[in-house]
Amino acid sequence: DTAVSQTPKYLVTQMGNDKSIKCEQNLGHDTMYWYKQDSKKFLKIMFSYNNKELIINETVPNRFSPKSPDKAHLNLHINSLELGDSAVYFCASSQVDRGIDTQYFGPGTRLTVL
Amino acid sequence: GQSLEQPSEVTAVEGAIVQINCTYQTSGFYGLSWYQQHDGGAPTFLSYNALDGLEETGRFSSFLSRSDSYGYLLLQELQMKDSASYFCAVNRDDKIIFGKGTRLHILP
Repeated sequence: DTAVSQTPKYLVTQMGNDKSIKCEQNLGHDTMYWYKQDSKKFLKIMFSYNNKELIINETVPNRFSPKSPDKAHLNLHINSLELGDSAVYFCASSQVDRGIDTQYFGPGTRLTVL
Repeated sequence: GQSLEQPSEVTAVEGAIVQINCTYQTSGFYGLSWYQQHDGGAPTFLSYNALDGLEETGRFSSFLSRSDSYGYLLLQELQMKDSASYFCAVNRDDKIIFGKGTRLHILP
């Protein structure tokens, strides 16, 4: 069973388009995240949701809109895509266990904007 | 402000030992985590230190000194499959902040 899954795995699109990435976790975790990893491998948090409620929004352009219909799902919609949005987007979930907050990452979505 | 520093690349020989250092500057520090990421893959959790000292998990160990804002990941008996990027990450009271990663190259 896949713990954290994302679709699609690859996404190639033109500038100006709108696209969505979906994420689901079956770990029963309360918290889910979106991270962006650029070409230099820098892994940066974008958003965090706890039980469907937004708790972190890291000065991401408002073209990016996360949506959490329930605590097992966190989707990311991106409007008016720009070249600089090209990156790998990772969804993750976590639960604090014995004081340790361990992130479980999905396989990533490689977004290429042409 | 907040920052994490780790070397961008490290090279070692198969069977040897390698240490990847991480220094950090942040508020609300809870602990230091380490993640491994193979090319084309997702980051996976390796270890966590909340208290000073060494934590050992098989061939991997991680160390933390809170007073020095410093930690390291020690990999022993290196295998070719250990070729990957290794990220230190600061666990804060509000979120996790990742370093820029250290690319480990292993020579046969």
